[in-house]
Amino acid sequence: GAVVSQHPSRVICKSGTSVKIECRSLDFQATTMFWYRQFPKQSLMLMATSNEGSKATYEQGVEKDKFLINHASLTLSTLTVTSAHPEDSSFYICSAGPGTGFYEQYFGPGTRLTVT
Amino acid sequence: EDKVVQSPLSLVVHEGDTVTLNCSYEVTNFRSLLWYKQEKKAPTFLFMLTSSGIEKKSGRLSSILDKKELFSILNITATQTGDSAVYLCAVGLDYKLSFGAGTTVTVRA
Repeated sequence: GAVVSQHPSRVICKSGTSVKIECRSLDFQATTMFWYRQFPKQSLMLMATSNEGSKATYEQGVEKDKFLINHASLTLSTLTVTSAHPEDSSFYICSAGPGTGFYEQYFGPGTRLTVT
Repeated sequence: EDKVVQSPLSLVVHEGDTVTLNCSYEVTNFRSLLWYKQEKKAPTFLFMLTSSGIEKKSGRLSSILDKKELFSILNITATQTGDSAVYLCAVGLDYKLSFGAGTTVTVRA
C-alpha cells in the first residue's frame, strides 16, 4: 500500500515553455500532497503544500506564479512550471501520506526536468 | 529557524561492517522523526519515530529516538553493497517535513 506515482519521469523542454508534472496517490486518498525540489547532491527542499479543493501553500522564496499547483481531486495534484528557464532544471518529487499517518509521507519516483 | 543536522556527511565501509548514522534537530513543534533511503530516484520510507527510547527494527536496520537530547540514530548491521545510498533524516513539524542534508553511505565489496 501507500504508492505514489509521478508522470513524466523525465522531461526535456525548451526555455520559455511550460511543463506539467502529475502526482497521483494510487491506493489511498490524500487531502494534502507536497512538492519538493532537489538539486544534485543536496537534500529535498519543500516548495509547496498542495491542498485538495483549496489554494496551495508556498514556502518562502517560491514563486507561486511560476510554480502553479492544482489539487483537483483526492488522488491527483499537478505542478506546472511556467515559462521554464534553465535554472528551473532540477529533480521534482511529490509526496503524500494516508490520512491517519500524516507524517508518514511516501514519495513519488520523481521527475527530472531539463530546460534547454 | 528549524535545523536538522546529519552526520557524518559521508562514509565508506566494507561489506559486513556496521554503520551508525546520526541525526540531531532543533525545531519547534516536533511531531515525529523519519528516516528515508534514497538511491537514484526518490526516497523510500524506512522508519517513523515518535516516542523516545523505543527501538524500531526492520531486518538489519534499526533506529531509536531520544527526545530529551534531540537526536536519533540509524544503525545498519552486516552491511551489503545494496545498502549504498543516501540516508535522509526528516523531522515532522506542524504541517511539513524538514529534511537534513543526508549521509552518503558507500559499501565496498
